Amino acid sequence: GESVGLHLPTLSVQEGDNSIINCAYSNSASDYFIWYKQESGKGPQFIIDIRSNMDKRQGQRVTVLLNKTVKHLSLQIAATQPGDSAVYFCAENLQGAQKLVFGQGTRLTINP
Amino acid sequence: DTGVSQDPRHKITKRGQNVTFRCDPISEHNRLYWYRQTLGQGPEFLTYFQNEAQLEKSRLLSDRFSAERPKGSFSTLEIQRTEQGDSAMYLCASSTTRQGFSGNTIYFGEGSWLTVV
Repeated sequence: GESVGLHLPTLSVQEGDNSIINCAYSNSASDYFIWYKQESGKGPQFIIDIRSNMDKRQGQRVTVLLNKTVKHLSLQIAATQPGDSAVYFCAENLQGAQKLVFGQGTRLTINP
Repeated sequence: DTGVSQDPRHKITKRGQNVTFRCDPISEHNRLYWYRQTLGQGPEFLTYFQNEAQLEKSRLLSDRFSAERPKGSFSTLEIQRTEQGDSAMYLCASSTTRQGFSGNTIYFGEGSWLTVV
């Protein structure tokens, strides 16, 4: 079946550097995408979302880019901090449906 | 700021026993979702409610699983005759159709960990 996937299972960056987490999705009918951050033992925490009629959306220190041509989603975190260490999931929502399809996640580790 | 609340946070039960989890969504959120997450995996959709109506159920939701939202507010997820394969984190989430952004942001609770021994 179609699902959301992630290119890299782990990513290590230096504190203060920018992080880019990538995600590939395969369902062209998906029209809504969300990035979640999940710390150990906790539930997913909403970071930022984007609809398919947009290609970029910015939040506080985070930017989501959507490339529908190649079905690619990315999360950019500026000036990465130790508190950014977590597993990051992208999720897609099929148009007209009410369920999110998650990928396996990328573990982001911040090196001091 | 009251988020999605789940209870209990942790449950250890013997195989064959029944367990029930409760979820209190964000106030005035009319949609409520249940997901299941195992270690190293992303959450998987189980079911969702709009108000008190259960509108969709995943194939993952076997006959031993039942979810209710009797008054359109809190919800319960019951697992009967638990099996070791049911060990997972059960996540509740909520959203509203009332906001202007039609994608209706879905907010998750901290989850209820189930260990079946």
